[in-house]
Amino acid sequence: DTGVSQDPRHKITKRGQNVTFRCDPISEHNRLYWYRQTLGQGPEFLTYFQNEAQLEKSRLLSDRFSAERPKGSFSTLEIQRTEQGDSAMYLCASRRRSGSYNEQFFGPGTRLTVL
Amino acid sequence: TQLLEQSPQFLSIQEGENLTVYCNSSSVFSSLQWYRQEPGEGPVLLVTVVTGGEVKKLKRLTFQFGDARKDSSLHITAAQPGDTGLYLCAGVETSGSRLTFGEGTQLTVNP
Repeated sequence: DTGVSQDPRHKITKRGQNVTFRCDPISEHNRLYWYRQTLGQGPEFLTYFQNEAQLEKSRLLSDRFSAERPKGSFSTLEIQRTEQGDSAMYLCASRRRSGSYNEQFFGPGTRLTVL
Repeated sequence: TQLLEQSPQFLSIQEGENLTVYCNSSSVFSSLQWYRQEPGEGPVLLVTVVTGGEVKKLKRLTFQFGDARKDSSLHITAAQPGDTGLYLCAGVETSGSRLTFGEGTQLTVNP
């Protein structure tokens, strides 16, 4: 059983640089979610996709953030002109098509540190 | 925005003790999930409760959903050091797909 995978696991970058993270969901799951988690807090919703369509975006997702899921399989989250406040764990989750009470399964996360 | 409040925020107990973690909201959720998270890893789903008043057991863990579907509790019996971790409750909004998480309860079980 292959779970959700994320790459890279860790990213250290300098302020002002662009970074891109990748998420590969569980293969039969059609919904994919991105969350952000800072130290000592629960995850906060950023955006989600149903197949290739981006259906909802949080106000946390500023115009420096963009997410894509071009073929309805893997997804990428890009942050442009990173700021120190972007330092966080970025989590991806996926969900089955139906009948699952929105049970979301998470990947291991990408830990971003902006210097 | 629906908010979930978890208590306590931190809990440090001795092996063999019992504990209860609470998750409260003023809003109704269509379902509620409990996750456990280890440092540097993503949350792992423990259970989903759907029906008001529902009780689910997972070995030494007992989960309850409030009758009004606004609150939930997690009770651990005879805690073990392996239970150490961050416990998160997350509600599914009635009109959406996103999960709304509580701030988490950091549990430490000392041997």
